This record gives sequence, C-alpha cells and structure tokens, in this order.
Amino acid sequence: AQSVTQLGSHVSVSEGALVLLRCNYSSSVPPYLFWYVQYPNQGLQLLLKYTSAATLVKGINGFEAEFKKSETSFHLTKPSAHMSDAAEYFCAVRTGDDKIIFGKGTRLHILP
Amino acid sequence: DAGVIQSPRHEVTEMGQEVTLRCKPISGHNSLFWYRQTMMRGLELLIYFNNNVPIDDSGMPEDRFSAKMPNASFSTLKIQPSEPRDSAVYFCASSLDLAENTGELFFGEGSRLTVL
Repeated sequence: AQSVTQLGSHVSVSEGALVLLRCNYSSSVPPYLFWYVQYPNQGLQLLLKYTSAATLVKGINGFEAEFKKSETSFHLTKPSAHMSDAAEYFCAVRTGDDKIIFGKGTRLHILP
Repeated sequence: DAGVIQSPRHEVTEMGQEVTLRCKPISGHNSLFWYRQTMMRGLELLIYFNNNVPIDDSGMPEDRFSAKMPNASFSTLKIQPSEPRDSAVYFCASSLDLAENTGELFFGEGSRLTVL
C-alpha cells in the first residue's frame, strides 16, 4: 500500500536560512506526489506536485521539491525562509485506487 | 470562482446529539473527499465520492458516521450519535476527476466540531 512518512513533526529555522522538510514515500506504482501547506484555521492548499515529468518541481512561494526514485524521497526546500512561511506542511501521495493519502505533517517555525 | 464551501465553520454540541456537516464542492469537480484532522491522528481520509457515487468508505470510523452526495453540488457528513472523541476539524475537498488528472485537491476551510 502506498504511504508517506514525514520526518520531524516540528522544524525550526532562522529567517533567511534554508528550509528542508523531509518526505519519504512507498508506492508500488509510479507515484503522484504532492506538498500542501496549511495556515492556521485554514484548509490545505497545494504548494507543488510531481507527476512523472521533471524530477525537480517548482511551486509557489519559492518552494521546490526533488523526486528521487532511488531514495524514495520527495523533500521540500526553500533557499531562504521568511516569517510568512510559518505553517504546517503535508506531503501526500496519490494511491493506485485514486485516494490522496497525507503524511502526519511538519510544523515549520521561523525564528527571527 | 468560489472555492469549496463548508458549513458550519464551528459546531459545539453535547454527546449524543446528531451532527450534520455540509459541503459544496467547486462547480465542475467530479470527486469529493471528506477528511478528519486531529492532533493525534493527523489527516484521515473518511470517504470519497466520484460522480456522486461513494467509492471508498473504509476510513469511516464506525456506523455512527454516514455520508451522502445526493447531487454534484452538495454532500453531507452525519454523525449520530456524536461522542467527545469525534471532536476534530472535518475537511471537505474536491477534485476535477482523479482518474483523469493528477488528483490535486481543493480544500474547504473546515468545520471544527467540539462534542462535550
């Protein structure tokens, strides 16, 4: 069965520092992978998605993620963190039976 | 274009009462999902519909939960009777059609349920 694992329920970085949020997936079929962001008291919104085209995917707000099949990873990065990036981030995978399954989430804290 | 609309945004009820959560998906979207979010369990998929037909309800916790989609523009999630452990934020999300696209979901703002 397909699943995603996010390493670290909380990550803190200083403003201006590199953001790295980790996601590993398991999938028996070529995966569709997603990163979503959730701001307080809001629903989730799509940051970026991988659909078997380019392995480096660029999303909104300066985020990008790289699909690495050999490592079964889809880590999210941003070169320079901004205070407005503080939120919860979810990695997700589309399963073979068309479900979208989410990881447990990583809360990103930005330190001034 | 309006996004996914959920109501009520907040609901406080007493144990044993019936709760009905409502969702209006984005017009033209054929797939609709109900998720539950808690601190302990994260985002759990409860049920999803395609073309108004329930496809998979294996995530529905027990018989107290039921969901319907009588038409393409409306869905309900009902809990009867409610229990304190049902307290959570319930999200509805819609998608164009999972079978024909990448499956990007559009979420509503959620319904926060508190059962006392």
